Amino acid sequence: LAKTTQPISMDSYEGQEVNITCSHNNIATNDYITWYQQFPSQGPRFIIQGYKTKVTNEVASLFIPADRKSSTLSLPRVSLSDTAVYYCLVVRRGGSARQLTFGSGTQLTVLP
Amino acid sequence: GAVVSQHPSRVICKSGTSVKIECRSLDFQATTMFWYRQFPKQSLMLMATSNEGSKATYEQGVEKDKFLINHASLTLSTLTVTSAHPEDSSFYICSARALGGVETQYFGPGTRLLVL
Repeated sequence: LAKTTQPISMDSYEGQEVNITCSHNNIATNDYITWYQQFPSQGPRFIIQGYKTKVTNEVASLFIPADRKSSTLSLPRVSLSDTAVYYCLVVRRGGSARQLTFGSGTQLTVLP
Repeated sequence: GAVVSQHPSRVICKSGTSVKIECRSLDFQATTMFWYRQFPKQSLMLMATSNEGSKATYEQGVEKDKFLINHASLTLSTLTVTSAHPEDSSFYICSARALGGVETQYFGPGTRLLVL
């Protein structure tokens, strides 16, 4: 399954838009891109999932270019409570959990 | 929707005892549940895949006799850490895959295990 690469950490200030980019050069046709958020001592929380172009929900937007080799999670107007680790995963439709591999994630720190 | 619960949320036990952790999908059925372990400042590591009505599939390096998994129904999977030792102290997280559609896993809140 496609390996993902994302920055280890990012800092931002309250009210700013934050964009976290993930690379997945070997993504396959049946793969979807999924982002999770994890706070300390909590299980990961599903944020958004997409296949191509743009997906938006009440929490975030996900931008996926035509070649799908990368994706960008966009968090509008972050607050202190958005400080967390964000994981980018490539998942296969109908695939098993073996293919849900968590990388190191991106530690987002929102500063006042 | 898609809520997964875990019980207990935290447990402290003596070395040598066994600890059972429950994972429940509250509002959906899950033929497959997964167990992860997470050490401080590290990412989640998949331990095993739990299938309803059949044996669990363990990842390489995970002792199946030490980490007993039972998936008794479409909404319940249990992980029993047998003869726990201090090195088993960790954060255990389960997830469940909703039936149908694109692969989306929903995670439980986790169980903090401390073995003294």
